[in-house]
Amino acid sequence: NAGVTQTPKFQVLKTGQSMTLQCAQDMNHNSMYWYRQDPGMGLRLIYYSASEGTTDKGEVPNGYNVSRLNKREFSLRLESAAPSQTSVYFCASSEARFRDTEAFFGQGTRLTVV
Amino acid sequence: DQQVKQNSPSLSVQEGRISILNCDYTNSMFDYFLWYKKYPAEGPTFLISISSIKDKNEDGRFTVFLNKSAKHLSLHIVPSQPGDSAVYFCAAPEGWGNEKLTFGTGTRLTIIP
Repeated sequence: NAGVTQTPKFQVLKTGQSMTLQCAQDMNHNSMYWYRQDPGMGLRLIYYSASEGTTDKGEVPNGYNVSRLNKREFSLRLESAAPSQTSVYFCASSEARFRDTEAFFGQGTRLTVV
Repeated sequence: DQQVKQNSPSLSVQEGRISILNCDYTNSMFDYFLWYKKYPAEGPTFLISISSIKDKNEDGRFTVFLNKSAKHLSLHIVPSQPGDSAVYFCAAPEGWGNEKLTFGTGTRLTIIP
């Protein structure tokens, strides 16, 4: 019963480096999400994918790209990391409608950009 | 502009007493609300939800109250236990069909033994 799996759990990047955060879910959910959590800011939506093959911007998409590789996997890419992207990143999945069921979250990736 | 607001960053409550966490929202189109609980180094987990057609939903020690006219909801935990110490987020889905979940800033609850 893995649920939502994120890799890596921790990462330190230098400014300007790139990296991809991986996320996979085994619950056959249609929708997947990337959030970032910053102190005093709560969880803010970066990108989401309502179904395989579609992606849409959330509240804070600048500096990120995403790929919905298949129904299971949704990756988040930082092309040129900046210190402002230091944060904890959470991937989540759900059925399409939050009104019917809740979202399930991964354990998070703590990213530090120096 | 924060559409879901939790104005208390932290709250300390004695074990066995009632914990009340508050949440305000500005978007009158919100019709469903969820509470999530988050422990350190873990992802948020769903706790309880409420539809706007109700004013109360209860699940064991947890009760959520909704006051639509005031655009306010609250989570009551009775009795509070040390394991309830966590950060609590309220959230609301925007849109229909392809929802985006908007979260509040969270309240850190500490239960004092």
